[in-house]
Amino acid sequence: DQQVKQNSPSLSVQEGRISILNCDYTNSMFDYFLWYKKYPAEGPTFLISISSIKDKNEDGRFTVFLNKSAKHLSLHIVPSQPGDSAVYFCAAGGYQKVTFGTGTKLQVIP
Amino acid sequence: GAVVSQHPSRVICKSGTSVKIECRSLDFQATTMFWYRQFPKQSLMLMATSNEGSKATYEQGVEKDKFLINHASLTLSTLTVTSAHPEDSSFYICSARDPARWETQYFGPGTRLLVL
Repeated sequence: DQQVKQNSPSLSVQEGRISILNCDYTNSMFDYFLWYKKYPAEGPTFLISISSIKDKNEDGRFTVFLNKSAKHLSLHIVPSQPGDSAVYFCAAGGYQKVTFGTGTKLQVIP
Repeated sequence: GAVVSQHPSRVICKSGTSVKIECRSLDFQATTMFWYRQFPKQSLMLMATSNEGSKATYEQGVEKDKFLINHASLTLSTLTVTSAHPEDSSFYICSARDPARWETQYFGPGTRLLVL
């Protein structure tokens, strides 16, 4: 039962352009949604989060959008940089537990 | 951001032996830590939630007698894989909950376990 889904395993974007990573979820009771970035052989690092009561949160080049009616969230990276190349996990949950998606590997081409 | 360390980073052991993995929060006190397991090209699967001073809460399907978790202090949680078998080979990652922002976790670098 995959409650958090990232349907695109990979994405390639030119440097300077926008990267859009997508995530779908099934549980309408999730309180928070998060994005983590992961480099090979390292643990994930927190990137940005959004509460279920909001529809947008912005932090520098990163913006997360939440569409509750569609049970969909997305991460926008503008402009994309080669250092953004990594695996991005979306996650959703509440105080007790967070469920992770399967990740999307982003490659930013110089 | 906060730092979480994990030791060892890589371990190879013989089938039947036990392996202990340590997870430390270096610059903050973590009352709650989490243990995850990641298979290749798959998501992080939560194994258990570790609360300081109390028993860990295991996810469905995770054998608590096989994966022993101890959270004896506010900066240290340990995961012991008892009588390890080849199917236990995986990437184990711990995280610690940010005491100021409960929705945020800080992850360790992970431990690659290979059981021969």
